[in-house]
Amino acid sequence: NAGVTQTPKFQVLKTGQSMTLQCAQDMNHNSMYWYRQDPGMGLRLIYYSASEGTTDKGEVPNGYNVSRLNKREFSLRLESAAPSQTSVYFCASSGTGLNQPQHFGDGTRLSIL
Amino acid sequence: QKEVEQDPGPLSVPEGAIVSLNCTYSNSAFQYFMWYRQYSRKGPELLMYTYSSGNKEDGRFTAQVDKSSKYISLFIRDSQPSDSATYLCASHSGGYQKVTFGTGTKLQVIP
Repeated sequence: NAGVTQTPKFQVLKTGQSMTLQCAQDMNHNSMYWYRQDPGMGLRLIYYSASEGTTDKGEVPNGYNVSRLNKREFSLRLESAAPSQTSVYFCASSGTGLNQPQHFGDGTRLSIL
Repeated sequence: QKEVEQDPGPLSVPEGAIVSLNCTYSNSAFQYFMWYRQYSRKGPELLMYTYSSGNKEDGRFTAQVDKSSKYISLFIRDSQPSDSATYLCASHSGGYQKVTFGTGTKLQVIP
């Protein structure tokens, strides 16, 4: 069972470079999410997409953009990477209907030098 | 103050012990409560998902919610070394859901 798949698993960037993190889910879920996880801060929501064709800002959207490409795929783009964006990024999805729990991928570890 | 507070640990217990992991929350609108388990270098994995107050049991795991005191607990019976992980509690108020996560408690079960 693939569930939520994130690529790449690791990446090192230089300050100012751009990058797109990819996420795909095979559970036919409507909603998808991007989080970052930092030590002592927990998981913080960057952007989410309640359904195909819609996206909304989360708690920490500055410096990021997202695209809900289709029902399966939700990408996160860093246009000009900064060291403060060094983090572990998780994609999650949740099923049709309200109050469905979120299921996570295994993350992308991103270092900005 | 964070909306969901969790002691970061680490918590070390011997194999076979009963483990109690706890969180407090401050938002009275929270109605849904979750526990996730996160192994090192992996994503959070949903363990328990409960609504409102009460207990929910699944094998060796019991989730308990006391909305009157805004207290969330996860009990692990007969703990195993494979239970060694970070446990995240989380809550939301319903709908299309801004889930608020605790920072996680790191558990180590010693063989």
